[in-house]
Amino acid sequence: QQQVKQSPQSLIVQKGGISIINCAYENTAFDYFPWYQQFPGKGPALLIAIRPDVSEKKEGRFTISFNKSAKQFSLHIMDSQPGDSATYFCATYSGAGSYQLTFGKGTKLSVIP
Amino acid sequence: DAGITQSPRYKITETGRQVTLMCHQTWSHSYMFWYRQDLGHGLRLIYYSAAADITDKGEVPDGYVVSRSKTENFPLTLESATRSQTSVYFCASRGDYGYTFGSGTRLTVV
Repeated sequence: QQQVKQSPQSLIVQKGGISIINCAYENTAFDYFPWYQQFPGKGPALLIAIRPDVSEKKEGRFTISFNKSAKQFSLHIMDSQPGDSATYFCATYSGAGSYQLTFGKGTKLSVIP
Repeated sequence: DAGITQSPRYKITETGRQVTLMCHQTWSHSYMFWYRQDLGHGLRLIYYSAAADITDKGEVPDGYVVSRSKTENFPLTLESATRSQTSVYFCASRGDYGYTFGSGTRLTVV
């Protein structure tokens, strides 16, 4: 069974600080690594994703860093805001052709004022 | 409205009863998925479908049945509900820009 190991399980950051969430994977069927953001009572929503032809992708305050040799990728949230408080999931693709997403167990981020 | 909708939003059922969770998408995406979300386990794939009349098992299929007679609908049935199936269930479809999830069904089996 494909595994995606995500850490930490929970994270408390002060407003304006940097939030860092890490993921390690074993295998992937497709070189595309997304992060999902989930607010309470809502479904996960795609936040940002990276292809491994680049080592970093930035969208606003959110940055993905990717290390293909180590099979690791991480999400950095700069200038964290209380509105960023949510659960974040990394994911990889398994099942060649069907492209099923296998998710990490999630990180609950709390940004305190 | 375009998107993916799940119903009901909340459901309480008794052990042993059959219950069906509905999922409808408006994009005609080929691939659809059912996940369950539990504390400490994240999101786990139950079943997926590549097209109408084509379905396959995911990581945790036991106790569940799916069907897909039309591209836009992908219902999930618990044939005889058990307490271990108390969870939040998410349906998703896969488009050109990745997965889109519904808002979920919170199911409680008592």
